[in-house]
Amino acid sequence: DVKVTQSSRYLVKRTGEKVFLECVQDMDHENMFWYRQDPGLGLRLIYFSYDVKMKEKGDIPEGYSVSREKKERFSLILESASTNQTSMYLCASSLFPGTDHPQHFGDGTRLSIL
Amino acid sequence: AQSVTQPDIHITVSEGASLELRCNYSYGATPYLFWYVQSPGQGLQLLLKYFSGDTLVQGIKGFEAEFKRSQSSFNLRKPSVHWSDAAEYFCAVAPRPGYFGNEKLTFGTGTRLTIIP
Repeated sequence: DVKVTQSSRYLVKRTGEKVFLECVQDMDHENMFWYRQDPGLGLRLIYFSYDVKMKEKGDIPEGYSVSREKKERFSLILESASTNQTSMYLCASSLFPGTDHPQHFGDGTRLSIL
Repeated sequence: AQSVTQPDIHITVSEGASLELRCNYSYGATPYLFWYVQSPGQGLQLLLKYFSGDTLVQGIKGFEAEFKRSQSSFNLRKPSVHWSDAAEYFCAVAPRPGYFGNEKLTFGTGTRLTIIP
């Protein structure tokens, strides 16, 4: 079974801090994704990556950046955290580019910015 | 731009009753269609997907979904729900391959399912 592991289930940070959310997948998947999930809004794509050192903006990239130095690891970075970034963050991976390869999700990181 | 509508925010059904969750999409061509389930405190798990062929697709946990092109719908059904089906359900659409580098899922806002004894 594919395992997508997010480093923290719960995280509390302060406004203005630089925040790192880490995601690791163990199945040599090419594609990795970061979403945020908010009540009534569903999942919205922040960034995705289809190869090491490659990244593409999703629908809501503002205030975020990403890093993919190794194939198995995809990091989401909040450069200067703000309260409106309080949310559930979900990481996902898929085997190859192309939407016929389903995405596998981690259990999420619930981030609170105070 | 593609979009997905799940018109029911919250549905309550009795254990053993049948279930139908609605999903409508807007897209220029027939997209790929997915249903995901999210149990409390967990990530999303793929229930089923439609790419082409038979418009009635079977998934895991006894779920099925029917693609209706004329109605732009992809409704999820289960003949008899179990208490463990209580979760949030997300419909999603995506373009067919050929848009390399731009493949992304668009999710609906979700339907929360509550099961009563």
